[in-house]
Amino acid sequence: DTAVSQTPKYLVTQMGNDKSIKCEQNLGHDTMYWYKQDSKKFLKIMFSYNNKELIINETVPNRFSPKSPDKAHLNLHINSLELGDSAVYFCASSQELTGVDTQYFGPGTRLTVL
Amino acid sequence: AQSVTQLDSHVSVSEGTPVLLRCNYSSSYSPSLFWYVQHPNKGLQLLLKYTSAATLVKGINGFEAEFKKSETSFHLTKPSAHMSDAAEYFCVVSPSDFNKFYFGSGTKLNVKP
Repeated sequence: DTAVSQTPKYLVTQMGNDKSIKCEQNLGHDTMYWYKQDSKKFLKIMFSYNNKELIINETVPNRFSPKSPDKAHLNLHINSLELGDSAVYFCASSQELTGVDTQYFGPGTRLTVL
Repeated sequence: AQSVTQLDSHVSVSEGTPVLLRCNYSSSYSPSLFWYVQHPNKGLQLLLKYTSAATLVKGINGFEAEFKKSETSFHLTKPSAHMSDAAEYFCVVSPSDFNKFYFGSGTKLNVKP
């Protein structure tokens, strides 16, 4: 199936740990994104990459480091996890950077920091 | 600056009755507008989008939305609600020149039997 996939789906970890969330899209898109959805369901963009280059970095703490090994992957690494990092993280992709282009979302990764 | 306001955090309708989910936006540029749906514990699915073509946009599952520039609105409607429509709905605005999505706070739709 063509889709945006994320692993893991659920992640429970202790404060201070380092964890990664992986995202892959097989839609042939050039642009990928990470969003954070907080407990009030509000979605906010964190990063976007176009052809493996960082385009948007929305004042996210530098404990969050996206890595794009190729156009089809955008992984999110988080250092020194904090309680406030608990949220659902969504990966998305689109063909282009223009605003008319639809973004396709992955199923989300629910991160719980204890 | 871009922003989206979803006027109702919760909407409850009976099965078979019309659905109206309201969305107002502000945008410095000619925006693209989207509606996404999120079922419980699921990802976001695109319902429909407006990109400066026809102002009445038809989407999946019988949903449609009308872009009204004078009212800066993009309300989502469906003539007859189905139980499977119960979900959270997000209105999204994106400036036409840059693919940066701004999400509304979401409207939770409850459908009663």
